[in-house]
Amino acid sequence: QSALTQPASVSGSPGQSITISCAGTSSDVGYNYVSWYQQHPGKAPKLMIYDVNNRPSGVSNRFSGSKSGNTASLTISGLQAEDEADYYCSSYTSSSTLVLFGGGTKLTVL
Amino acid sequence: EVQLAESGGGLVQPGGSLRLSCAVSGITFDSHEMYWVRQAPGKGLEWVSYISSSGSTIYYADSVTGRFTISRDNAKNSLYLQMNSLRVEDTAVYYCARGLIAAWGLDVWGQGTTVTVFS
Repeated sequence: QSALTQPASVSGSPGQSITISCAGTSSDVGYNYVSWYQQHPGKAPKLMIYDVNNRPSGVSNRFSGSKSGNTASLTISGLQAEDEADYYCSSYTSSSTLVLFGGGTKLTVL
Repeated sequence: EVQLAESGGGLVQPGGSLRLSCAVSGITFDSHEMYWVRQAPGKGLEWVSYISSSGSTIYYADSVTGRFTISRDNAKNSLYLQMNSLRVEDTAVYYCARGLIAAWGLDVWGQGTTVTVFS
């Protein structure tokens, strides 16, 4: 099964807001089982959003998630230099595969 | 503190085998679903396998079905991935990760162990 579709890269200036999209189908993103991960170079991924729009304890409220139809989104407001990283979405899928990841989006803070 | 520590990675030739382990500490291991996720050099994350908290339900990615076997020992707080018939394309950093209870997300990750399959 194909991975979820994310833009390869996004950029923004400090203080600005950016949004990363994650496009899927009714068989995956269509369910409310979407999570987002941040990964800095050489580090393990970190959970930023679960169940579409919930933040784990300790994650800044500058990070928020949403979904419309079969496309989920991660919004980062008040961009900071340390937000520069790769971001991945993940979804449950009703296929036998169970889990899908997006291809990843590289965020550059200008 | 919750910690996941992978081990067992290394260099292997195509067709060879490796067994990865993930030691879990600081949590009640048997309450959580567990996952293996890999990342090839310079590439994105790829889900590999899932096992339920009891071990009774297992899923695999199509790319590893029939070659990899996930298992867990709740008495030893450990997760395993037996990898057979390894291919060059299995070269990656392999992460174990803990699933949230009653929610969709992997909230704790290990530091990863590197598997290199070379011909």
